[in-house]
Amino acid sequence: EDKVVQSPLSLVVHEGDTVTLNCSYEVTNFRSLLWYKQEKKAPTFLFMLTSSGIEKKSGRLSSILDKKELFSILNITATQTGDSAIYLCAVPLYNFNKFYFGSGTKLNVKP
Amino acid sequence: EAQVTQNPRYLITVTGKKLTVTCSQNMNHEYMSWYRQDPGLGLRQIYYSMNVEVTDKGDVPEGYKVSRKEKRNFPLILESPSPNQTSLYFCASSTHPLGEWPQHFGDGTRLSIL
Repeated sequence: EDKVVQSPLSLVVHEGDTVTLNCSYEVTNFRSLLWYKQEKKAPTFLFMLTSSGIEKKSGRLSSILDKKELFSILNITATQTGDSAIYLCAVPLYNFNKFYFGSGTKLNVKP
Repeated sequence: EAQVTQNPRYLITVTGKKLTVTCSQNMNHEYMSWYRQDPGLGLRQIYYSMNVEVTDKGDVPEGYKVSRKEKRNFPLILESPSPNQTSLYFCASSTHPLGEWPQHFGDGTRLSIL
């Protein structure tokens, strides 16, 4: 059965901390994995990963994919209160029609 | 401005009263999809559409219908809503199959079925 599992489900840190969010997957004919950030409304796109071992980076956020071990991590360094959100991981099925989302990690960054 | 627009944003209604949630995108995207989001379950795909007149079931299609008569619109229909359909619903669109894969999401519709 295809599935995407994220951990932890929730996390509370203080400003300046570094956090690592995990996403593991079991999806037939894997091709890519996407990370989204969801604040109060719609999820917004962060990264799309297709190749193993190549880090994608945007400011304080970075992500990497391990296709052998079937997981991805999202790192946030020097966290700020504005990083508080739900972080979602999604994997499309091989034909890119159906998408499987993890349950998300709720990050709370305290001042 | 490129966007996905959902209406209504909030709705409280009663069991069995048919309702439609509209979704419209102005990016000429071929692919559109509906999701529901429930606490602890993440986003689950209800239906998706590859193009006009082409729709298919996602993971949780029971109790829902969709149609795609025009490229920009993809309404979600609840013929006989029930309380277990109380949820936060998102419509999304993207180009398909190549190009800008990340989906653009609407702001969500919060439905409460009493």
